[in-house]
Amino acid sequence: GNSVTQMEGPVTLSEEAFLTINCTYTATGYPSLFWYVQYPGEGLQLLLKATKADDKGSNKGFEATYRKETTSFHLEKGSVQVSDSAVYFCALSVPMDSNYQLIWGAGTKLIIKP
Amino acid sequence: DTGVSQDPRHKITKRGQNVTFRCDPISEHNRLYWYRQTLGQGPEFLTYFQNEAQLEKSRLLSDRFSAERPKGSFSTLEIQRTEQGDSAMYLCASSPDSILNTGELFFGEGSRLTVL
Repeated sequence: GNSVTQMEGPVTLSEEAFLTINCTYTATGYPSLFWYVQYPGEGLQLLLKATKADDKGSNKGFEATYRKETTSFHLEKGSVQVSDSAVYFCALSVPMDSNYQLIWGAGTKLIIKP
Repeated sequence: DTGVSQDPRHKITKRGQNVTFRCDPISEHNRLYWYRQTLGQGPEFLTYFQNEAQLEKSRLLSDRFSAERPKGSFSTLEIQRTEQGDSAMYLCASSPDSILNTGELFFGEGSRLTVL
């Protein structure tokens, strides 16, 4: 079946540290991969996406590369800020009938200390 | 603002009462989704509309839950005889019906339900 596994949180870092949040997946077919972010008290926002192998999604200094050989989509940022504190969700979508099935990871809480 | 909007943002109710949430999707989006999210978890799919047709319902959606999208625009999610276990954030999302759609969803800010 389809599933997403991401590293457990919380992840606590100091400002300007390097960030990696691991995400691996299992899927039939060729999924699209997403990172969504949820800031405190807000809904989910798409952070970045990649639709095929070796694609790199990037936004707001965050990057993730679709690695089919390792079935991974790890999120990275070179220098985090306090404002990056949020919960990050890895997700994949696979076509199903006339729709897409979205499979979500459990989320990783990121805490950035000044 | 042309994003997905949800109302109310917060609802506190007593066990046994009925509650209704409203979602206004992005206007050109044909697809509308309801999810439920509890603390520390990812979103759980509840139901999905394409235009006014409800095409998919999760087993999580008990008989106490009903969703409508009567004119293919806004949607409502009603929970009857609420239970404490219904306390959660209810998220609405929309997406375009396009061959270019890759499953990306546009979420509202959610409606938080607390059942006392």
